[in-house]
Amino acid sequence: DAKTTQPPSMDCAEGRAANLPCNHSTISGNEYVYWYRQIHSQGPQYIIHGLKNNETNEMASLIITEDRKSSTLILPHATLRDTAVYYCIVRVITAGYSTLTFGKGTMLLVSP
Amino acid sequence: DVKVTQSSRYLVKRTGEKVFLECVQDMDHENMFWYRQDPGLGLRLIYFSYDVKMKEKGDIPEGYSVSREKKERFSLILESASTNQTSMYLCASSFGGGAVNEQFFGPGTRLTVL
Repeated sequence: DAKTTQPPSMDCAEGRAANLPCNHSTISGNEYVYWYRQIHSQGPQYIIHGLKNNETNEMASLIITEDRKSSTLILPHATLRDTAVYYCIVRVITAGYSTLTFGKGTMLLVSP
Repeated sequence: DVKVTQSSRYLVKRTGEKVFLECVQDMDHENMFWYRQDPGLGLRLIYFSYDVKMKEKGDIPEGYSVSREKKERFSLILESASTNQTSMYLCASSFGGGAVNEQFFGPGTRLTVL
């Protein structure tokens, strides 16, 4: 049970912002939202994570709604190399270890 | 940069063979993971290890075993390979403590069992 719902696919024009939605309506108070992506023939790659506040790093921004039931990953200026499957994951962080449960993700196709 | 390497990118084995998939990480990570990835099913966790000689079952451990004799190395073992174990196998590692626990993945091993 992946605990998240994402659209199976999205398209985006190169240079435009890509906004990838994720629903996690059953998220618990101590669960973080993580985003990974997987480019074809490669292993998944960490992008960003957040708990309550919006987050930004060199790769993307993460917007989490106030009720924490959904979030949006924003790639501000998508490039062809951003074409990948994007996974939204909720997980509990413990002191020792935690595991990831991947859903089916969103296939983002960035076109020229 | 963290590096997670897997022993082979492609592997072809016969039904009934014993198969070893090796994973090595160079960042002194405490945690290591084995996943398999299949079309339509996504990534599923097979086993993980949070310390040397420690292991925990993931979501689909049946037909697999693991070994962690050294901190940097985590092996996945298929005791008697079957055709339904044809899949892409991905290894990952992460720090044991800290707030992020980001997992770093290897490039994967595509295993075909004939």
